[in-house]
Amino acid sequence: GQQLNQSPQSMFIQEGEDVSMNCTSSSIFNTWLWYKQEPGEGPVLLIALYKAGELTSNGRLTAQFGITRKDSFLNISASIPSDVGIYFCAGHNNAGNMLTFGGGTRLMVKP
Amino acid sequence: SQTIHQWPATLVQPVGSPLSLECTVEGTSNPNLYWYRQAAGRGLQLLFYSVGIGQISSEVPQNLSASRPQDRQFILSSKKLLLSDSGFYLCAWNPGNTIYFGEGSWLTVV
Repeated sequence: GQQLNQSPQSMFIQEGEDVSMNCTSSSIFNTWLWYKQEPGEGPVLLIALYKAGELTSNGRLTAQFGITRKDSFLNISASIPSDVGIYFCAGHNNAGNMLTFGGGTRLMVKP
Repeated sequence: SQTIHQWPATLVQPVGSPLSLECTVEGTSNPNLYWYRQAAGRGLQLLFYSVGIGQISSEVPQNLSASRPQDRQFILSSKKLLLSDSGFYLCAWNPGNTIYFGEGSWLTVV
């Protein structure tokens, strides 16, 4: 089946630093999604990408849909303590009704 | 606008007791509905999904079951809980190519 490899698994950074995480797949996806999950809450959609090569920003967050449709990255600029959480990537290939999720990147920000 | 709710938010249940988690979606009709489980600090595991009333697909064999008695209601159940059923359970629905999650339900089996 399809798998998404998300890296890094965890990051511990200083406030103000930029952050980059990515997901790669052996299969093609038609949609890439990025979620953030804070402790004790459900994941919240941050950015949705629908076209290969698409670059989308949401405040300090920027995500790109890879040209090959097999990868995506998420960047966070000038991190702040409230960026702490687990970030998940997810891919959808229009076949069926399922998303494939990455394993998550746990982000910790030191004030 | 569409919203999704699940409850209870937290519960502690003894081993062998039954379980019922409920999820409802508002503002849409005939949604695809999902139950995920997340072990502490881990990724999301799809348990069940439903494309319509009475239609349930199971992704993994387990001690849990799901039912969809109404169009916008999805229930996760167990007749006898195991310690390994502890975790964070998330209901979700998808309009098109995205998924939106409920608030989550923490289950601790003791």
